[in-house]
Amino acid sequence: DAMVIQNPRYQVTQFGKPVTLSCSQTLNHNVMYWYQQKSSQAPKLLFHYYDKDFNNEADTPDNFQSRRPNTSFCFLDIRSPGLGDAAMYLCATSEASASYNEQFFGPGTRLTVL
Amino acid sequence: AQSVTQLDSQVPVFEEAPVELRCNYSSSVSVYLFWYVQYPNQGLQLLLKYLSGSTLVKGINGFEAEFNKSQTSFHLRKPSVHISDTAEYFCAFLPGGFKTIFGAGTRLFVKA
Repeated sequence: DAMVIQNPRYQVTQFGKPVTLSCSQTLNHNVMYWYQQKSSQAPKLLFHYYDKDFNNEADTPDNFQSRRPNTSFCFLDIRSPGLGDAAMYLCATSEASASYNEQFFGPGTRLTVL
Repeated sequence: AQSVTQLDSQVPVFEEAPVELRCNYSSSVSVYLFWYVQYPNQGLQLLLKYLSGSTLVKGINGFEAEFNKSQTSFHLRKPSVHISDTAEYFCAFLPGGFKTIFGAGTRLFVKA
């Protein structure tokens, strides 16, 4: 089945220790997104890639970076995690050429910062 | 401004009772409307979507929603809920481009 995969599902890191979250997709979609979702809140878009073009949301902290080495993979790097970065991180994909930009979500990675 | 308002943050309901989760949107352009469900520690799963055509949309797990353009609403309904429907539900719309506008979510709690 075509899908969006996130690894790991649970990640524990220490305050200030860099961490990387991984997302892969078998849908061959050209757009990939990273969202941050804190408890009892809606997902908040951090950035997205349209092919190789990186699009950062204006309020995304510099502490958050992303890489997309190829169509299938996208990474979220948190350079110096703070306690406030503990959240669920959701990856999503969409096909820009479709008539509407429906997003397909992965299962998420829950990040704990100690 | 484009926005989505979910009118109830929490909805408790007894098993086998009907439920309605309310959603209103604000947009000056045509929209595509979605309902997602999120179970604990999981991603968002699409329940149903309205793109065009019939205003009554049927989705998975027995859910349906009705698009009402004059009231700018897209309420989600289920005639008889199960314990397994306990989850967070998000209403969302696509105003165009790559942005998805999400509501704040409604926590449905089904009691035995």
